[in-house]
Amino acid sequence: EPEVTQTPSHQVTQMGQEVILRCVPISNHLYFYWYRQILGQKVEFLVSFYNNEISEKSEIFDDQFSVERPDGSNFTLKIRSTKLEDSAMYFCASSESGTAMNTEAFFGQGTRLTVV
Amino acid sequence: DQQVKQNSPSLSVQEGRISILNCDYTNSMFDYFLWYKKYPAEGPTFLISISSIKDKNEDGRFTVFLNKSAKHLSLHIVPSQPGDSAVYFCAASSSQTGGFKTIFGAGTRLFVKA
Repeated sequence: EPEVTQTPSHQVTQMGQEVILRCVPISNHLYFYWYRQILGQKVEFLVSFYNNEISEKSEIFDDQFSVERPDGSNFTLKIRSTKLEDSAMYFCASSESGTAMNTEAFFGQGTRLTVV
Repeated sequence: DQQVKQNSPSLSVQEGRISILNCDYTNSMFDYFLWYKKYPAEGPTFLISISSIKDKNEDGRFTVFLNKSAKHLSLHIVPSQPGDSAVYFCAASSSQTGGFKTIFGAGTRLFVKA
C-alpha cells in the first residue's frame, strides 16, 4: 500500500540552527501539506502546496519556514534559526486533490524535532 | 482559534459497546468533515469522512453523523474493540478556500476495555 514517508524520524538540533525535514508523498498525489503537533496539543496546519507553490499557510508559517519540492518526489520543510518552541512532531501529508473535494489526506509517521 | 472543538479529552468504553465521540465546529464555511485515528508514535490515519450535503455516512463499524444546524458531528463505533483504543481527531475543511487547509480538533483519547 502506498504511503507517505518522512525522514528522519527524530532530529535533534541546537537552537539557532537550520533543519530540513524531508518527505516523500504518495506518487500520484498532487497536494502536499505540513502539520505539526506540539506535545500534548492538537495537530496544527502549517502549509499546503500545489503546483509548485504554496496554496495556503497558517499564521504559524512565518518567514522562519519554507517549503520546497526540489526534485519532483521529495517535499521538504526548512526551519531556519530554530527556537525551543519549534520542538514538535512534524507531519507531512499528501492527497490526490484538495481535502474538501471528497478526498482525505494521507499522513506520514512524523519527524520528532527536538530543539535544545 | 478553536474552530473545531472536541470537548471530551478522553472516553472509556467496554468492549462490545458503542463508542460515541463528539465534535463541534464554529465555522459555517466548513463543508467537509473527517475523522482521523492516531496511535502513539504514528501519523494520523484517515477513518471516515462526510460531506455537508449528507447527514450520515457509514463504513463498517464506523458511522459519522452530521447535524449542520447544530454544527455538530459525531463518530459512532459499534461494536467497540480493544484495537480501537487511540486518539481520535475530528477535522474540517472548506471548499470555498480550496480545501487546502484542514483544521483539527484537540482529539479524544478512546480507551476500550476488554
